[in-house]
Amino acid sequence: EAEVAQSPRYKITEKSQAVAFWCDPISGHATLYWYRQILGQGPELLVQFQDESVVDDSQLPKDRFSAERLKGVDSTLKIQPAELGDSAMYLCASSFEGYNEQFFGPGTRLTVL
Amino acid sequence: KQEVTQIPAALSVPEGENLVLNCSFTDSAIYNLQWFRQDPGKGLTSLLLIQSSQREQTSGRLNASLDKSSGRSTLYIAASQPGDSATYLCAALYSNDYKLSFGAGTTVTVRA
Repeated sequence: EAEVAQSPRYKITEKSQAVAFWCDPISGHATLYWYRQILGQGPELLVQFQDESVVDDSQLPKDRFSAERLKGVDSTLKIQPAELGDSAMYLCASSFEGYNEQFFGPGTRLTVL
Repeated sequence: KQEVTQIPAALSVPEGENLVLNCSFTDSAIYNLQWFRQDPGKGLTSLLLIQSSQREQTSGRLNASLDKSSGRSTLYIAASQPGDSATYLCAALYSNDYKLSFGAGTTVTVRA
């Protein structure tokens, strides 16, 4: 069964360091999402791609976060520099189109010390 | 703001009891509503998706209903098992921006 892949699964870093997360969506899914989930809360959208284009990054802290999907397939989310408040689960999801069912990857648990 | 609320935040039931999980949303202009399961420290697993034109959707022991007029969805899990212990989240996709708005989830514990 097709799945969304993410790596790494866990990341521990010190504040002010740079971190990067990778996501490979389900083959054929044009829409890719990055979410951040704080413990005890629902996920919140950081950025949405349609193919290689950013559709929505209104909630992405652009002073430290960046995201790219250069060839319209896999995607990288970067944080530089990391802050203590960035500790969270980072989830990637994909869908065939922006209004279809979303499928999530296993997530990356980030801890900033 | 398009809000999604799940009450209660947690519940505990004995094995075999039917589970009823509630989800309410503030805007009836939804495109679809999705129910997810999340195990501790894991990603989200899609359980059921209900289109706005549908009233319910079923998969095995799971049944989800949608009432747009009252702004509610309910997930029923029949004959609960300890393996059903997890956090269940609902998310509404709104027609105006096609963004998923999530509830905070209901954490379920099924006691053996």
